[in-house]
Parts: sequence; structure tokens; C-alpha cells
Amino acid sequence: DGGITQSPKYLFRKEGQNVTLSCEQNLNHDAMYWYRQDPGQGLRLIYYSQIVNDFQKGDIAEGYSVSREKKESFPLTVTSAQKNPTAFYLCASIGGARTEAFFGQGTRLTVV
Amino acid sequence: GNSVTQMEGPVTLSEEAFLTINCTYTATGYPSLFWYVQYPGEGLQLLLKATKADDKGSNKGFEATYRKETTSFHLEKGSVQVSDSAVYFCALTTDSWGKLQFGAGTQVVVTP
Repeated sequence: DGGITQSPKYLFRKEGQNVTLSCEQNLNHDAMYWYRQDPGQGLRLIYYSQIVNDFQKGDIAEGYSVSREKKESFPLTVTSAQKNPTAFYLCASIGGARTEAFFGQGTRLTVV
Repeated sequence: GNSVTQMEGPVTLSEEAFLTINCTYTATGYPSLFWYVQYPGEGLQLLLKATKADDKGSNKGFEATYRKETTSFHLEKGSVQVSDSAVYFCALTTDSWGKLQFGAGTQVVVTP
């Protein structure tokens, strides 16, 4: 089955620790995206990558970092510099212009 | 830049009622338009799409028509069910890589 997988589904971390969220896809899509969703709010773009070894900042990149060493994988690191990291994080991939985006099931990060 | 505006929720309906969620957009060029649905605790999934003016997207009883003259893509369903309770996102892309601009989302609650 082709799809996009995020792990873990729930993640708890202490304040001041870096944490990495996994996103893997087997759809052979070039473009991958990370979004943040806060309760009752829409999706805000954190980072995106349209090709291996290249990525771009989105609207709220501060305090986050990414890598794209393989086409299938686009991990997101939430660093200690992110002031308010508790949120629901969604990863998506898109196969081309004007085609649908496929989303993972999301990772709910709670920082205590 | 591109933007999407959709009606605020929550929208609360009784089962079998008619649902309309308004969505208007501003965009450079000729966008493709999408409706995504998010069920509680999950990622987003495509509900329907339209890629050019006057196209009608439809799926699972939902419909939306791409109206270029009014820059709108309103979502409608004639008879909702409890299982339609979810958050609905209107989105557009003008990007050759398919990068999406989302509205804020509208929560729909259908009661028996």
C-alpha cells in the first residue's frame, strides 16, 4: 500500500530538549511538506522540500530544522529554540502540479 | 499573494440537514481548488477538487463548483450524516510543485 507514515503518533518531551518527528512516504513524490496545527486553527507551513538535498522555509520556520537526504524521508526536528512547540504536526507529500496532497496521520507533540 | 477565506465554525446541524460552507479566494494566475476533510485525531484527506473555472468537484454526496467570476468554491451537501462531523479545509495551489494555501478550516458538528 502506498502512503505516508508519521511516527510516533504521540510524543512527550521535556522543555529544552530537541525532538525529531519522522515522516516517510513510498509514493515516489518529489515534494514533501511539514505543517503545524494548533487547536481550532488552520495549517501553518513550517518547511518544504521539492527535491532531495534541498528545502525551503515556510511561514513559521523559526525553531525548527529539517533534512532531505532521501526522497522517501523528510524528518522534522523541533529544537529548544521553538518557544511553544506543543502542537499537532502534519507531514504531506504531493506528486506534481494540481494533484492531491497525501497526509500522514500526524504526530501530537506535548512539551512539559 | 494567495489567500483562502472560509466561514468560521463551528457549524452545528441536525442529521439530514443541508450543509453549505463558504470559501472565497484570491490568487495570482489560475489556481486549482480543493476541499480537504480532517476527522478527529487524523490527518487530512482529499474530499474533492476542481482544476479550472466552472468545473464541479463531487465526492460522497459533497459538491463544489469553481466560480471564477466570484472567486468562490463553496462546499455543499444535501443531507448530512453524523459521520460527516469533521473539520473541512478549503485550499488552493498555483504552484508548479503543488504547494497548498489553506483556509482556517470550518468545524462541522452533526447531531442525531
